[in-house]
Amino acid sequence: DAKTTQPTSMDCAEGRAANLPCNHSTISGNEYVYWYRQIHSQGPQYIIHGLKNNETNEMASLIITEDRKSSTLILPHATLRDTAVYYCIVRVASLVKTSYDKVIFGPGTSLSVIP
Amino acid sequence: EADIYQTPRYLVIGTGKKITLECSQTMGHDKMYWYQQDPGMELHLIHYSYGVNSTEKGDLSSESTVSRIRTEHFPLTLESARPSHTSQYLCASSENRERETQYFGPGTRLLVL
Repeated sequence: DAKTTQPTSMDCAEGRAANLPCNHSTISGNEYVYWYRQIHSQGPQYIIHGLKNNETNEMASLIITEDRKSSTLILPHATLRDTAVYYCIVRVASLVKTSYDKVIFGPGTSLSVIP
Repeated sequence: EADIYQTPRYLVIGTGKKITLECSQTMGHDKMYWYQQDPGMELHLIHYSYGVNSTEKGDLSSESTVSRIRTEHFPLTLESARPSHTSQYLCASSENRERETQYFGPGTRLLVL
């Protein structure tokens, strides 16, 4: 699975858009980009994923560059409850039924939403 | 909202005790996972299961054991707890198909004295 690099930490003003970048320059054609977040003391929460098209759901938008070497997670109107560590992961699901999906969580980006 | 539960949420126990951390999911997912995470550190996979009666070791070596007798239940056991086992343990599950998402439970914080 491709590795990702993310900034260690970011700040965002409450109500503003939070744009979290992720580099995955070694991504291969069948690897998806996933975003999770982990609020302090809780389990990771799935946010969104995509292959090459931009994606949007009720939580966030995912913008993937045309060459797929980087992506940006956008929280359109950050709130204090969005303060968390955000993980960008690239992975390909194993097509072998008896194998596991190797999800490697790196250190992520610690996002602080400031009042 | 994912329906995956872990109990207890917090556990403080003495060295040498046997403990079992419970994980249950009501989504009918075939695959289940246990991760270990120290404070401020990355998650590491310690066990996984792709169905009933299947269990495999993950990337990080662990003295714990797991069982999968029922689809919805994936308990983790430490026969003799030690202070080095102090950590957060996170359970997750996913459907057994391509590109499925892993859903995580709230975690169990274990402190071994």
